[in-house]
Amino acid sequence: GAVVSQHPSWVICKSGTSVKIECRSLDFQATTMFWYRQFPKQSLMLMATSNEGSKATYEQGVEKDKFLINHASLTLSTLTVTSAHPEDSSFYICSAIPVLPNTEAFFGQGTRLTVV
Amino acid sequence: DAKTTQPNSMESNEEEPVHLPCNHSTISGTDYIHWYRQLPSQGPEYVIHGLTSNVNNRMASLAIAEDRKSSTLILHRATLRDAAVYYCILRRAGNMLTFGGGTRLMVKP
Repeated sequence: GAVVSQHPSWVICKSGTSVKIECRSLDFQATTMFWYRQFPKQSLMLMATSNEGSKATYEQGVEKDKFLINHASLTLSTLTVTSAHPEDSSFYICSAIPVLPNTEAFFGQGTRLTVV
Repeated sequence: DAKTTQPNSMESNEEEPVHLPCNHSTISGTDYIHWYRQLPSQGPEYVIHGLTSNVNNRMASLAIAEDRKSSTLILHRATLRDAAVYYCILRRAGNMLTFGGGTRLMVKP
């Protein structure tokens, strides 16, 4: 089946620094990718929809200047957490859906971000 | 997006069938019923999806009520590796997946 690769799987950074997370669809093109955040023992919360070649669409309450999303190609979207704070520590997950209408979504393995 | 309601948790014995229910009374005609599961510290994994008819695949079966207001995910023989959070999600073509609380399935040996 189709694979979505997310990198890194875990990262520890200092407060105030920026961290970039990559999401790649390995064997299909994804004009749209999605970024989720998940806190311990909670469900996934959609942060933003990443559109290839255009600006991302952010969910209410998600700061677009803090969570920079770039979707430069049909197989790569990146999420950059800028000026990270400890409260940004979370599990970040990307998802991609092939263009065909009746298909399942594919998820990356997630990135565990810890800000110290 | 139409919402789904699932029990918070369920328990099963190993090698017994498990029926995970999901209510979606506000489903629209174009909503597909998707099921995903998430193991600890991993991204969600696709299980099965359907529109109107029951569906079977190597992982599970999906039974959809005739009025489509509810569905049941059936694991025919639960194993310890099936312990996960199972999410029932309604999705329209091309739209993102909106996750609810899901059902935490615990499998006892």
